Amino acid sequence: EVQLVESGGGLVQRGGSLRLSCAASGFSFSTYSMNWVRQAPGKGLEWVSYISSSSSAMYYADSVKGRFTISRDDAKNSLYLQMNSLRAEDTAIYYCVREGFSGYDFWGQGTLVTVSS
Amino acid sequence: QSALTQPPSASGSPGQSVTISCTGTSSDVGAYNYVSWFQLHPGRAPKLIIYEVTKRPSGVPDRFSGSRSGNTASLTVSGLQAEDEADYFCSSYANRNNLRFVFGTGTKVTVL
Repeated sequence: EVQLVESGGGLVQRGGSLRLSCAASGFSFSTYSMNWVRQAPGKGLEWVSYISSSSSAMYYADSVKGRFTISRDDAKNSLYLQMNSLRAEDTAIYYCVREGFSGYDFWGQGTLVTVSS
Repeated sequence: QSALTQPPSASGSPGQSVTISCTGTSSDVGAYNYVSWFQLHPGRAPKLIIYEVTKRPSGVPDRFSGSRSGNTASLTVSGLQAEDEADYFCSSYANRNNLRFVFGTGTKVTVL
């Protein structure tokens, strides 16, 4: 069974940093591209960042470019998101999402990040 | 990120059908067969219910069906059940700049 479990969310002050983690199991993690997607309170889904298998390509939404860094450790079946210079508008539930051939196919339950001003 | 357009809400009584639209452009929904639909319940992991416009993953009831006409994809939930009350989002491959997939604005489905 595919499982994605996020951790690392919490309350942080504006300008602070957080590192999100996603532990993957039940599939061959190293062969899949992975993404972070977020949902702000009362808002829709927003793609945040993408990393290809083998980490050969990494992409970011304009809203986080230069502040967030995506990475993966295939030996630990883990995905990460380092978030720096956090802003109030980064407050959201952050989801770890597997990308299959046809698109996003499995999601974690999410971890809540709250940036206080 | 240019979002696909969905109606903010839809509703139906148990047993009825509800259809949600997802309008994009000839550069996303109308261009690729990679349209997906997701069901979101608060506090739970979002769930893929339709992929490649019309296909259902294993375990998804056949009450859920997808279709497309031009630049608009649709999700139909037939035989509404109480547990279908949730938020539904569409997604399409877009491949513009660094944005590989774009999401819809989301629709809240209420079972009356």
